[in-house]
Amino acid sequence: AQTVTQSQPEMSVQEAETVTLSCTYDTSESDYYLFWYKQPPSRQMILVIRQEAYKQQNATENRFSVNFQKAAKSFSLKISDSQLGDAAMYFCAYRRSSTGNQFYFGTGTSLTVIP
Amino acid sequence: EPEVTQTPSHQVTQMGQEVILRCVPISNHLYFYWYRQILGQKVEFLVSFYNNEISEKSEIFDDQFSVERPDGSNFTLKIRSTKLEDSAMYFCASSARAGNTIYFGEGSWLTVV
Repeated sequence: AQTVTQSQPEMSVQEAETVTLSCTYDTSESDYYLFWYKQPPSRQMILVIRQEAYKQQNATENRFSVNFQKAAKSFSLKISDSQLGDAAMYFCAYRRSSTGNQFYFGTGTSLTVIP
Repeated sequence: EPEVTQTPSHQVTQMGQEVILRCVPISNHLYFYWYRQILGQKVEFLVSFYNNEISEKSEIFDDQFSVERPDGSNFTLKIRSTKLEDSAMYFCASSARAGNTIYFGEGSWLTVV
């Protein structure tokens, strides 16, 4: 079974600094997708970034980038130049690419940005 | 930017009552989903729907739950006889193709009393 683990329930970062959120997953598949979703206090789930497992290059979206280590089954999110609006719950998610559409989510990391 | 919309944003219902949560997926998307998030817990998959039928469902999605696409735009989740433990945020989501990124709505917060 696929599991996604986020070992940091809470993190904090000073405004304008960089923070890294950790995520590991367990799978026997070779091809899959990984995602980071952000959930602000409004509770909407917002896609932050996506990574295809077959791509060696780490995905980047503006201030957000990932460190994808396939052998280690690790998928961390780096937020650079943190802004107050980055404060939210961040969920790591996994999806098989072969069959099925089910996403598996981690338990989330609550990020606080300190002004 | 196209988005998934959900109604109601918040509903309070008595235990045993039927509830219908409504969703309008992004217009050109073909795959539809319901997820739920009990307060303080992770987001959990309930069901996926494609071509007018359920393509995948979780253990949570028992006989009390059903989904329907009654017309070309709406996608509904029905809970036949609500229980206290059904209290949660219910997220609708859609994707253009299987395996694509799924886009979530803002959620419907259901409180069963």
